[in-house]
Amino acid sequence: SAVISQKPSRDICQRGTSLTIQCQVDSQVTMMFWYRQQPGQSLTLIATANQGSEATYESGFVIDKFPISRPNLTFSTLTVSNMSPEDSSIYLCSVWVADMEQYFGPGTRLTVT
Amino acid sequence: SQQGEEDPQALSIQEGENATMNCSYKTSINNLQWYRQNSGRGLVHLILIRSNEREKHSGRLRVTLDTSKKSSSLLITASRAADTASYFCATEPQGSSNTGKLIFGQGTTLQVKP
Repeated sequence: SAVISQKPSRDICQRGTSLTIQCQVDSQVTMMFWYRQQPGQSLTLIATANQGSEATYESGFVIDKFPISRPNLTFSTLTVSNMSPEDSSIYLCSVWVADMEQYFGPGTRLTVT
Repeated sequence: SQQGEEDPQALSIQEGENATMNCSYKTSINNLQWYRQNSGRGLVHLILIRSNEREKHSGRLRVTLDTSKKSSSLLITASRAADTASYFCATEPQGSSNTGKLIFGQGTTLQVKP
């Protein structure tokens, strides 16, 4: 397994601003992912955070809106840019460990006013 | 796009009873994982079952997988109030070449009454 932490755990932001969410893992992992969970909904994959190269985004998500960094094998950031109320969600990072299991961080609850 | 459909959407039972949740999916998979989420917090990994497995146990949890029907079930035996949570299935599509991408179902909200 892996121990994953996220910062901040929650935030309330104003429309038009940006927020950067950090994800830290206690061991080196190859695969890191970012998911979004809109209120009352299931999880949707935003992108795969690739170490040393640009993130791979899923359909409907673009780099200008959700820039991602992955400077090393234990850390990644997701920025939610130019926020609107529709961006209010829980954002979760996850890591893929041995044996195909995927573990999630505690999430960052974002409210945009 | 959502791969999985879960039913029921909501389930309310008494402590001590068993709870069964079902998950159906659309495409062939490498594996299927079940997660628990308490009150909109992070997801807790419960169990992974591979496409060549039919049943798996972990404590009070029993998971079955029927690839011919593209469905899975999660059984929680002797439920406790602490089992109250949302439960999600997530599949790794077979064509994803070990990318680790998961597609989540809509989830089942379980309430266990003391």
